[in-house]
Amino acid sequence: QKEVEQNSGPLSVPEGAIASLNCTYSDRGSQSFFWYRQYSGKSPELIMFIYSNGDKEDGRFTAQLNKASQYVSLLIRDSQPSDSATYLCAVRDDGNAGKSTFGDGTTLTVKP
Amino acid sequence: NAGVMQNPRHLVRRRGQEARLRCSPMKGHSHVYWYRQLPEEGLKFMVYLQKENIIDESGMPKERFSAEFPKEGPSILRIQQVVRGDSAAYFCASSPRGAANTGELFFGEGSRLTVL
Repeated sequence: QKEVEQNSGPLSVPEGAIASLNCTYSDRGSQSFFWYRQYSGKSPELIMFIYSNGDKEDGRFTAQLNKASQYVSLLIRDSQPSDSATYLCAVRDDGNAGKSTFGDGTTLTVKP
Repeated sequence: NAGVMQNPRHLVRRRGQEARLRCSPMKGHSHVYWYRQLPEEGLKFMVYLQKENIIDESGMPKERFSAEFPKEGPSILRIQQVVRGDSAAYFCASSPRGAANTGELFFGEGSRLTVL
């Protein structure tokens, strides 16, 4: 079983729709959770991070965390073609330092 | 305010040669991480270093790969006797120490190694 699992996709949504990206993790002791966006041929960049159960909103993005279910998701509202990218879920080992473990990513395509 | 700097951006080597990839972290960052990304795959952790110390090398292959982060100068990922399976994008990331560290990784543009 992979430590961090994501649906590989591709996920295709029409422009203006809500895109929902899901991630599960195996280490119940994980404390920090991150969503990165990676455009083709480019480096990953942080979209959101979340530490506590519940929802965290930033503009069109909402991260949701459920530690009991070991599940974290990212919702993108009013999807735009510029949101087309691979979204990487990452889980960090401990609270202050240490490596982040990444899922294999979900490729999102937003069609005009 | 320069970000994470990696060089070379592209490197071509023949089988059996050595590859050296360099990474200068963001100013003020003392933690350096190396990740490898194969085509159409996610980022695989290789090694985590602080100045003059390897903190976690659990993702490093046991042979041919080594990493260092000296007191002065960039971090270096060294691959000896490269094979075709080493062809990948190698990303370096850095983060600050202490309370400033939210866990966010700041990535360089990557070094793309092609082994012929």
